Amino acid sequence: DAGVTQSPTHLIKTRGQQVTLRCSPISGHKSVSWYQQVLGQGPQFIFQYYEKEERGRGNFPDRFSARQFPNYSSELNVNALLLGDSALYLCASSFGPSSYEQYFGPGTRLTVT
Amino acid sequence: QQQVKQSPQSLIVQKGGISIINCAYENTAFDYFPWYQQFPGKGPALLIAIRPDVSEKKEGRFTISFNKSAKQFSLHIMDSQPGDSATYFCAATSSNQAGTALIFGKGTTLSVSS
Repeated sequence: DAGVTQSPTHLIKTRGQQVTLRCSPISGHKSVSWYQQVLGQGPQFIFQYYEKEERGRGNFPDRFSARQFPNYSSELNVNALLLGDSALYLCASSFGPSSYEQYFGPGTRLTVT
Repeated sequence: QQQVKQSPQSLIVQKGGISIINCAYENTAFDYFPWYQQFPGKGPALLIAIRPDVSEKKEGRFTISFNKSAKQFSLHIMDSQPGDSATYFCAATSSNQAGTALIFGKGTTLSVSS
């Protein structure tokens, strides 16, 4: 069975630009969470979505937004990129919004220059 | 405010030895404590997890020990192998968290020497 898939694998953007990252959850999983992992740190929670609704939001600015589609895939958008947004962006899927077990994808490495 | 503190930052263990990584948490509402293993260039992989109603959980060479009164939990890797060399993260969450947001420690880089 396919695990969580994310695209693209790597991305290089310039300050001020906008970026869209994509995630497909494990088949049968309906909840998707996004995390940011800065080099040398643990992942930090950005959003959780379930049934196209935002179920949780971490301490990130409004430049970060996300959405979930009817097929449970998700997109993370970041506007007005800053150098500090350079990180590995991880998507995690879980069966439902109250499911504790979260399974991570390989991530998208974003570099902002 | 860091809600989950992890130590040590790095660890070197001989092949066949026991690796021990410790975590402490502050929020008594946490009720799920997973450990993740991450290899370079990969996403974190769920290794083992525990709920606070048990003091120990074992899966193969990996054991979680949980001390609710001390608000601490630890990962023990028995018979450590070079293939265990990776970064390990402890985490915690509860139904009170935004969604079920995992709160991660800063990670421990484990090197197992052969």
